[in-house]
Amino acid sequence: GAGVSQSPSNKVTEKGKDVELRCDPISGHTALYWYRQSLGQGLEFLIYFQGNSAPDKSGLPSDRFSAERTGGSVSTLTIQRTQQEDSAVYLCASSSTWLAGSGTGELFFGEGSRLTVL
Amino acid sequence: RKEVEQDPGPFNVPEGATVAFNCTYSNSASQSFFWYRQDCRKEPKLLMSVYSSGNEDGRFTAQLNRASQYISLLIRDSKLSDSATYLCVVDNYGQNFVFGPGTRLSVLP
Repeated sequence: GAGVSQSPSNKVTEKGKDVELRCDPISGHTALYWYRQSLGQGLEFLIYFQGNSAPDKSGLPSDRFSAERTGGSVSTLTIQRTQQEDSAVYLCASSSTWLAGSGTGELFFGEGSRLTVL
Repeated sequence: RKEVEQDPGPFNVPEGATVAFNCTYSNSASQSFFWYRQDCRKEPKLLMSVYSSGNEDGRFTAQLNRASQYISLLIRDSKLSDSATYLCVVDNYGQNFVFGPGTRLSVLP
């Protein structure tokens, strides 16, 4: 389909291993966001890419987390040396360019990658 | 103080009831406001944007009070299918979006 695609949908890993989560946004969308959601909790902002600008990394919880967006399209979120508290659903969203205050800027979410760290 | 606060609920209401959710935000520079809906174990989806003058979409009405930094969502004639978590979303200095923790609604038959 033409929506946001995330992979893997489920990932079980052992504590201390590295994981990579992939997001393929809607074609033409310039903005890409990563959030994570722990069970029963709200969405926690991680990182935001807008076009060719430097990403807003202010939400990354530690230096074990990093993300790239290659060619302004696909993004990879990498978690190094995973810990049990990293277990969550990692949600990616994209949107077309929006103007603050315009009321537009709908975020289209993927179905998420569920990460379980044993 | 959290950037976006909501009453977590749950709100348990009978079919046909009217229910209102409130949301407060701390960043006075925020310019865009939204309500998203999230079904259990699903991704969030846009319900409606919130405009300064207030706006209505069928059974749903959203209001914004900039002076009090307060947003509301009113659902009239609740349906079973309205059961979900409702997320208040605010932009952060016109950059990324901050999500509230969500308010859970259960509409009972």
